[in-house]
Parts: sequence; structure tokens; C-alpha cells
Amino acid sequence: QLQLQESGPGLVKPSETLSLTCTVSGGSISSSSYYWGWIRQPPGKGLEWIGSIYYSGNTYYNPSLKSRVTISVDTSENQFSLKLSSVTAADTAVYYCARLNSYGFAGIDYWGQGTLVTVSS
Amino acid sequence: QSALTQPPSASGSPGQSVTISCTGTSSDVGGYNYVSWYQQHPGKAPKLMIYEVSKRPSGVPDRFSGSKSGNTASLTVSGLQPEDEADYYCSSYAGSNNYVFGTGTKVTVL
Repeated sequence: QLQLQESGPGLVKPSETLSLTCTVSGGSISSSSYYWGWIRQPPGKGLEWIGSIYYSGNTYYNPSLKSRVTISVDTSENQFSLKLSSVTAADTAVYYCARLNSYGFAGIDYWGQGTLVTVSS
Repeated sequence: QSALTQPPSASGSPGQSVTISCTGTSSDVGGYNYVSWYQQHPGKAPKLMIYEVSKRPSGVPDRFSGSKSGNTASLTVSGLQPEDEADYYCSSYAGSNNYVFGTGTKVTVL
């Protein structure tokens, strides 16, 4: 059974960079047909697409966040990571890592449990 | 890209049906047959219920069905059960490997 687990600091200061890692177990991140993505959800609000990556390193970002987002992959560790720069309180959210089936067209079929990141001094 | 529009809430009694709409544009919902629906219980990660407009993943009850007409997609839950009470989000491919989510609908089982 595929499992995804987010890890990283739960508290980040304003203007700094948020960094999270997603560790994939029970399957290979290098499998074809799958993209790996990040989604966030501010407390009490809806879901927001952040971006995705293919194991080859090709990345795709939400245009509204593109200038601040970097997603990378480490196939040797079966992990992928998110960096979001110049954070503000508006970036406070539960961050989910996820697997996108069939290059994303068949939906997000596996999700991590989510990790709350609070931006505060 | 703007969030897809969903009604904030919907409700029904056990055994009844409820339908949730998801309205986008010709650049997302109307342009592709890649609409997904997710169920989210409080404090939990979302769960895929429908993909490619109307397909159900293995293990999802056939009480859940999806459809699309023009720029609006819909999720219907038939034979409502108490465990169906949750938030529901639609999502659509928006081109260039980008996706957009809906605003979310809280379904209450009366």
C-alpha cells in the first residue's frame, strides 16, 4: 500500500522560506504515469493547488505561486520536496503531498496526512 | 486561474439524494473531461471519489456519480448515509499541467 508522509518545520517566520519533504513508501517515485504534487489548505478554507513534478524533474506550478515555489525530486531517497519563499501569514495552511494518477488526469489518488505550517514571528 | 464555484452547503435526509454543482469556464471544466471530486472529513486528508468526470475508483460506492454539461460538473450522492456528511471539492485540469479546485461544499445529512 502506497504511503506518503510530509515532514518539515511546523513554524516558519515571515519572509523566510518554507521547506517540506514528502517521503514515499510502498512504491517507487520513479514509476511512469504518475506525477507527484503539493496541495495546501488554509485553516477553515478550501484546497489550493501548488504544483507537481515528474520523476524526471519536470515541474509545473500554479501561476499565482510560481515566482515563490520550487519543487524538486530525489529519486534515490524516494522523496520530493517543496520550497516556498518569502512567506507571509497568508501561507499558513495544512500542506499535503500527493500522487497524481495517470499524469494527473485520473485524479489525486493518494494523499499524505497533511502537515500544518504556521507562519508567525 | 480562479477557483471553481460550488454552493457552500447542501443537505438531505438519509436515503435521499443530493447534487452538488461545480462551475468553471471553457478553460477548465468546459475544456477537458478531467474533473475529479474529493470527499474530506474533518481533520482528514481528501479522498478521491470521482475522476474523469464520471469514473469511480475501486472501493467507492456506486451511490456516488458524476456528470458534466458545458462548464458545469455535478456530483450526485444517492441514498444518503450518515457517513456521507463531509466537505466535497471538485477539481479540474486547467491546461499546462495545472489544476484548479472548487470552493467546497459542506454536505449535511439531516
